[in-house]
Amino acid sequence: GAGVSQTPSNKVTEKGKYVELRCDPISGHTALYWYRQSLGQGPEFLIYFQGTGAADDSGLPNDRFFAVRPEGSVSTLKIQRTERGDSAVYLCASSYETSGANVLTFGAGSRLTVL
Amino acid sequence: DAKTTQPPSMDCAEGRAANLPCNHSTISGNEYVYWYRQIHSQGPQYIIHGLKNNETNEMASLIITEDRKSSTLILPHATLRDTAVYYCIVRPYSGAGSYQLTFGKGTKLSVIP
Repeated sequence: GAGVSQTPSNKVTEKGKYVELRCDPISGHTALYWYRQSLGQGPEFLIYFQGTGAADDSGLPNDRFFAVRPEGSVSTLKIQRTERGDSAVYLCASSYETSGANVLTFGAGSRLTVL
Repeated sequence: DAKTTQPPSMDCAEGRAANLPCNHSTISGNEYVYWYRQIHSQGPQYIIHGLKNNETNEMASLIITEDRKSSTLILPHATLRDTAVYYCIVRPYSGAGSYQLTFGKGTKLSVIP
């Protein structure tokens, strides 16, 4: 596709429920990133994939958060037993490679609201 | 830890140049300066990046001081659509941290009619 696509754009759920957020990166981009953005803050790194493997998941806040990228393209961020503090915009980005000279292209984000 | 310092907000008159400053006094020799912006309800958008030399593209110009401790992003003729939060980010070319962007709080630029 022309850009990074994220679905759903908005998700409202109840505390304790399970949520999946999907990211379709730009075709051919091998690197994929998930960020989380709380109100009034800059995006915070969660996890990064190089191909199918999670190369760095140090930003995941706890074991309720998990992400997969089974075929090296689409990725799903999974949140178990959601809490009100998980409410945020979840951003996905992709890039052609991972040196510091390459550009990350972001999607519009998935806004998660946990009631 | 924030590696860059930016003013929290700035105003600019429509049609005038917007000059957004950024301090990065601890920048290393192998670190790029990147600028992204985020328009309300959208994801961050890449603007420009540079290492030592000044850079220009269709969106903006990046002026990096000779000692590389600060830089300025210039939008030559600001429009209302340039109203956004602008993030200045320092990023190594290779090694640890090269694959990700570390965002601060950025500068909220308001372009005023």
